[in-house]
Amino acid sequence: AQSVAQPEDQVNVAEGNPLTVKCTYSVSGNPYLFWYVQYPNRGLQFLLKYITGDNLVKGSYGFEAEFNKSQTSFHLKKPSALVSDSALYFCAVRVPTGGFKTIFGAGTRLFVKA
Amino acid sequence: GAGVSQSPSNKVTEKGKDVELRCDPISGHTALYWYRQSLGQGLEFLIYFQGNSAPDKSGLPSDRFSAERTGGSVSTLTIQRTQQEDSAVYLCASSLVVGSTNEQFFGPGTRLTVL
Repeated sequence: AQSVAQPEDQVNVAEGNPLTVKCTYSVSGNPYLFWYVQYPNRGLQFLLKYITGDNLVKGSYGFEAEFNKSQTSFHLKKPSALVSDSALYFCAVRVPTGGFKTIFGAGTRLFVKA
Repeated sequence: GAGVSQSPSNKVTEKGKDVELRCDPISGHTALYWYRQSLGQGLEFLIYFQGNSAPDKSGLPSDRFSAERTGGSVSTLTIQRTQQEDSAVYLCASSLVVGSTNEQFFGPGTRLTVL
């Protein structure tokens, strides 16, 4: 079965420190991978995606993610966290042969303390 | 430009009543998706539309749930005989063209509470 795992319900970091939000997937075929962010009382917003090519993908607000095929991972990273990065982050995967169904992870809540 | 809009933003209903949730996608977006986000849970895929047709209805939880899309634009998600477990935030998203590489643009959601 196709699945996406975000092993951490919550990540706590201090402002200015690097952050990592983890995502692993289990799909057949070559996946398309996405990260979305949900700020309090707001809808989900697209951050970045990996389709093909360079394994390191850069996105909005200084975020980046690295696709690792051998580890089936797509971890979200940022070199220096901001308090305003505090939000709920979702990893998502789509399989090219699976139509337009997108499978989302359960989400990871990021808390950045000043 | 205008984003995805959903109405109502909040809906409180009594168990057993029917509800209709509306989604207006971004103009020109051919793909439209419905998800459900329960408290403390991730996003659960319900259904997607390609134009007016719904190739994949596998995510609908039961036959009380149905959805339609008309004119390749507005979509309505209908829940009949609502149950308390239907309480959740219902999210709609759209994407520009048919293609699995496209990111989705989400609406603010409709918070449904079934008493």
